Amino acid sequence: DADVTQTPRNRITKTGKRIMLECSQTKGHDRMYWYRQDPGLGLRLIYYSFDVKDINKGEISDGYSVSRQAQAKFSLSLESAIPNQTALYFCATSDGLAGASGANVLTFGAGSRLTVL
Amino acid sequence: AQSVTQPDIHITVSEGASLELRCNYSYGATPYLFWYVQSPGQGLQLLLKYFSGDTLVQGIKGFEAEFKRSQSSFNLRKPSVHWSDAAEYFCAVGAGGATNKLIFGTGTLLAVQP
Repeated sequence: DADVTQTPRNRITKTGKRIMLECSQTKGHDRMYWYRQDPGLGLRLIYYSFDVKDINKGEISDGYSVSRQAQAKFSLSLESAIPNQTALYFCATSDGLAGASGANVLTFGAGSRLTVL
Repeated sequence: AQSVTQPDIHITVSEGASLELRCNYSYGATPYLFWYVQSPGQGLQLLLKYFSGDTLVQGIKGFEAEFKRSQSSFNLRKPSVHWSDAAEYFCAVGAGGATNKLIFGTGTLLAVQP
């Protein structure tokens, strides 16, 4: 099994629908992230969480919300999807040990491709 | 603020030729620097990282990168490219410590000609 699992892998939906992308990890990492990838724009950070009680906005959080249900689970929601949210979404994790050099090394899931019509 | 620039959107090289992918960063202190590779339909895989010490770092799959503080660069190199290296490559910079967020470049798409 993959260390970071994202579901669904592909989803097509309509404008205005609520969508949830789920992420679970077996790495035992404290830190989890949601990124969005668009052609020519690279990866942009949507939200990140350093532990279950800590949620932070990234650079493009508008239109998105997240829930950290447990150390291993971090979900991304689009309350009312719009076409410009069509993108490839990645969940990632990292080691949260203070001062650890590995704290910056991200482990990525395989991605969830979302299409909003 | 941190930023990363990958000036080459698309590069094509012949199999067996050498490769250099450029990355320039902006950050006030010594950054944490990374190269990730994304194969078609896959997530991102870490190729190598620089935190401190030797400025020439070795990674997986025969890749290496050199940190040049004076040029704010962290270019990725490989002496002989294989067809399986065709992928998209992302440079990223991190502040480290409590902030622990990575900023990614826009990526360079590598095509390999037979």
